[in-house]
Amino acid sequence: NAGVTQTPKFRILKIGQSMTLQCAQDMNHNYMYWYRQDPGMGLKLIYYSVGAGITDKGEVPNGYNVSRSTTEDFPLRLELAAPSQTSVYFCASSSLNSNYGYTFGSGTRLTVV
Amino acid sequence: AQRVTQPEKLLSVFKGAPVELKCNYSYSGSPELFWYVQYSRQRLQLLLRHISRESIKGFTADLNKGETSFHLKKPFAQEEDSAMYYCALRGTGGFKTIFGAGTRLFVKA
Repeated sequence: NAGVTQTPKFRILKIGQSMTLQCAQDMNHNYMYWYRQDPGMGLKLIYYSVGAGITDKGEVPNGYNVSRSTTEDFPLRLELAAPSQTSVYFCASSSLNSNYGYTFGSGTRLTVV
Repeated sequence: AQRVTQPEKLLSVFKGAPVELKCNYSYSGSPELFWYVQYSRQRLQLLLRHISRESIKGFTADLNKGETSFHLKKPFAQEEDSAMYYCALRGTGGFKTIFGAGTRLFVKA
């Protein structure tokens, strides 16, 4: 059972570069999420999706874009990376059954220099 | 506004001692509360949910709507309980979850 797979695990970007963080789940979950976690802070929601073709902004969407062309994949795109985007990024998914919580990916540690 | 507060960044206890990780929330409706745990070099995982009133790995948590709290308790801490613990809130019928800043629990031998 793969669950939620995130790649890469680590990445160093230079200011102004762009990259895509990949996230895939094999549990047929409708809902998918991207969070970022800064030191000493809780997880902040960047974007979320309720199904293929449907995405919406979370609490901190600026500087990011997402797409959801399939149920399985939910990539997060960073355009023009800035030092403020240095963080740990978590992808998560959940089912329609609200009794269950999230299944998380292993995280991506991104440093922008 | 929805908010989850974990007042302690770090909690250190001796093995065998009771442990309580505090969580307070602010929410206008009926919330669903969760505790997530992240052990060293592992991913975040769900520990328990208030709706199931379960005990997982000896941990329990009771939702106190009067005090708007959902503290996590264990009567006898074990070294393997050392981890980062996050309290989380979701609105009833919703799906987006907000997380507290987390409490690092360190259980000393």
